[in-house]
Amino acid sequence: GAVVSQHPSWVICKSGTSVKIECRSLDFQATTMFWYRQFPKQSLMLMATSNEGSKATYEQGVEKDKFLINHASLTLSTLTVTSAHPEDSSFYICSASAVGGYGYTFGSGTRLTVV
Amino acid sequence: DQQVKQNSPSLSVQEGRISILNCDYTNSMFDYFLWYKKYPAEGPTFLISISSIKDKNEDGRFTVFLNKSAKHLSLHIVPSQPGDSAVYFCAATTNTGANSKLTFGKGITLSVRP
Repeated sequence: GAVVSQHPSWVICKSGTSVKIECRSLDFQATTMFWYRQFPKQSLMLMATSNEGSKATYEQGVEKDKFLINHASLTLSTLTVTSAHPEDSSFYICSASAVGGYGYTFGSGTRLTVV
Repeated sequence: DQQVKQNSPSLSVQEGRISILNCDYTNSMFDYFLWYKKYPAEGPTFLISISSIKDKNEDGRFTVFLNKSAKHLSLHIVPSQPGDSAVYFCAATTNTGANSKLTFGKGITLSVRP
C-alpha cells in the first residue's frame, strides 16, 4: 500500500531557531500534500495544501512566512517552522494524495518541542 | 465553526461487544466521509469510508452508516477487540480528487476492556 515517510519523528529546538520537517511519498507520486497540526486532545487542523511545483495554499490564520512549505517534487514536501517559539510546540502531520487517484495517506507525524 | 462534530470525547466498551462511534456534520456540501484510527504520536491510518450516494459500507468488523437527512454518520465495530483502543477521527470532504481537503472532528477515544 501507499507509504508516507515523515522525518524527524520528534525534535527539540531552541526558541528562535528554524526546524525543517520532511514528508516523502515512498511508493507513489503525490500530486498534493497536506500539512496538519494537532494540539493535545484536539482535532487535526489543516495548515496548508501544497501542489508540486507551485506555491502552497495556506488556511486562514496560518502565517505563511512562519510556516514555509516547499513541494519541489512529486515525492517530497517540506515544512519549515521559522523562528520557532514555544507556542509552536505541537504535533505536525503530513498527508499525501496520489496522482490521478483518491485517498489520503498520512505520515507518522513529528512532535516539535520548542524550549 | 466546527463543521464535523464528534460530541462524545470517549467511549469504553467490553471486549466482544459492539462499539458505536458517532459523528455529525453541518456542511451539506460534504459528499465523502472517512474514518481514521490514530495511536498517540502516530499519524492517522485509514479505516473505512463512505460516499454520500450510499447509506452503508462494510469492511470486516467495521461498518459505517450514513444518514444524510440527519447529517449523521456512525462507525460500528463488532466485535470490539482490545487492539481497537485508539482515537477515532471522523473526516469529511466536499469533493473527490487529489486536491480535496479533509475536515476532521475532534476525535473519540475508544477503550476496549478485556
